[in-house]
Amino acid sequence: GAVVSQHPSRVICKSGTSVKIECRSLDFQATTMFWYRQFPKQSLMLMATSNEGSKATYEQGVEKDKFLINHASLTLSTLTVTSAHPEDSSFYICSAYGQTETEAFFGQGTRLTVV
Amino acid sequence: KQEVTQIPAALSVPEGENLVLNCSFTDSAIYNLQWFRQDPGKGLTSLLLIQSSQREQTSGRLNASLDKSSGRSTLYIAASQPGDSATYLCAVRLRGDYKLSFGAGTTVTVRA
Repeated sequence: GAVVSQHPSRVICKSGTSVKIECRSLDFQATTMFWYRQFPKQSLMLMATSNEGSKATYEQGVEKDKFLINHASLTLSTLTVTSAHPEDSSFYICSAYGQTETEAFFGQGTRLTVV
Repeated sequence: KQEVTQIPAALSVPEGENLVLNCSFTDSAIYNLQWFRQDPGKGLTSLLLIQSSQREQTSGRLNASLDKSSGRSTLYIAASQPGDSATYLCAVRLRGDYKLSFGAGTTVTVRA
């Protein structure tokens, strides 16, 4: 299967600072990547669809100015949580479809804690 | 909007017992359905993918069935082992869409 690598796996930051999370497709090119958020004991909620070379598409209720997404190459998408607050603390996971664009593969996830 | 439900939310079985995990979805116009495994604090590992034209898929001790008309999929894990302890998520993709709709998962504990 395809490999999606996410970094960092966990990060602690102070309120008001920004944090960048990277998502890379290691052995394939991904024109589209997806960013999810997962609350404890809950399902994954799609935040946005990241499109290479164009603006991301955000789901309803997701603040695009708070969660900045950049997809500058076919193998890298980044999610920047700006002016982080404790309520932004969560588990963030990215995904991409493999070369057949059929099966979805996920990164390892990033545990963000804002103190 | 696609709603995906997984029952039960949690399951505890002794080692060696077979596991049956259920997933139901409301919109039967699906492209495919995937089963994932998630260990605590980790990402998702793809277990099985069933295309809409398929009735089942098998990989080792895992077998997943799909009944589109009734909006159901079942994941069977034979002869469970403590290493099977994890949360299992099903995700449904609709035709003409890239988005996945997830269930809340079933957390499985296999007791040694």
